[in-house]
Amino acid sequence: NAGVMQNPRHLVRRRGQEARLRCSPMKGHSHVYWYRQLPEEGLKFMVYLQKENIIDESGMPKERFSAEFPKEGPSILRIQQVVRGDSAAYFCASSLLFGLHTGELFFGEGSRLTVL
Amino acid sequence: DAKTTQPPSMDCAEGRAANLPCNHSTISGNEYVYWYRQIHSQGPQYIIHGLKNNETNEMASLIITEDRKSSTLILPHATLRDTAVYYCIVRVDGNKLVFGAGTILRVKS
Repeated sequence: NAGVMQNPRHLVRRRGQEARLRCSPMKGHSHVYWYRQLPEEGLKFMVYLQKENIIDESGMPKERFSAEFPKEGPSILRIQQVVRGDSAAYFCASSLLFGLHTGELFFGEGSRLTVL
Repeated sequence: DAKTTQPPSMDCAEGRAANLPCNHSTISGNEYVYWYRQIHSQGPQYIIHGLKNNETNEMASLIITEDRKSSTLILPHATLRDTAVYYCIVRVDGNKLVFGAGTILRVKS
């Protein structure tokens, strides 16, 4: 059973370009979370999605960032007009059940975005 | 909102038990204690969680004090591969986990 798959693992963009990060949750999981980790810093929650719905986007920057989790296909985190400050590791996690009292989020290995 | 306090770093000798403390004095009755770890450059990994009883699995043991204001994660026989940042999390705001700074555990031979 494959774990959470993220791609690309590494992405280089120039300022002003768009970055698209993809996350395929574990089989049967319908809850996806995105976190960002700036260099030498901790993980910061960005957004929580269920299939076709954004449940909590309280950690998403108000501009340039968007996320979706369509009925079919992976979840996508999209960053428009990237700036150097967007350089970070972006982690996706999935869970099976509603809420977190199962205790376990399964994390992917992350996508590392570098903005030149 | 419950917050956690962890020491910034700890050292442990290989083969010995690693005991990682966590204070969460404002935890509420229905909040769980979760532990995750992040090995350098990898995604966080779930270790264990509990509510008020002590818990044990193949990775670790979790000891929660009776008043629930603190807990200890125990890795019974630490190896070099256990070197990582360990996060104690008790805040469940809606449906997200909020990570703090964690404890850097260095296992030394």
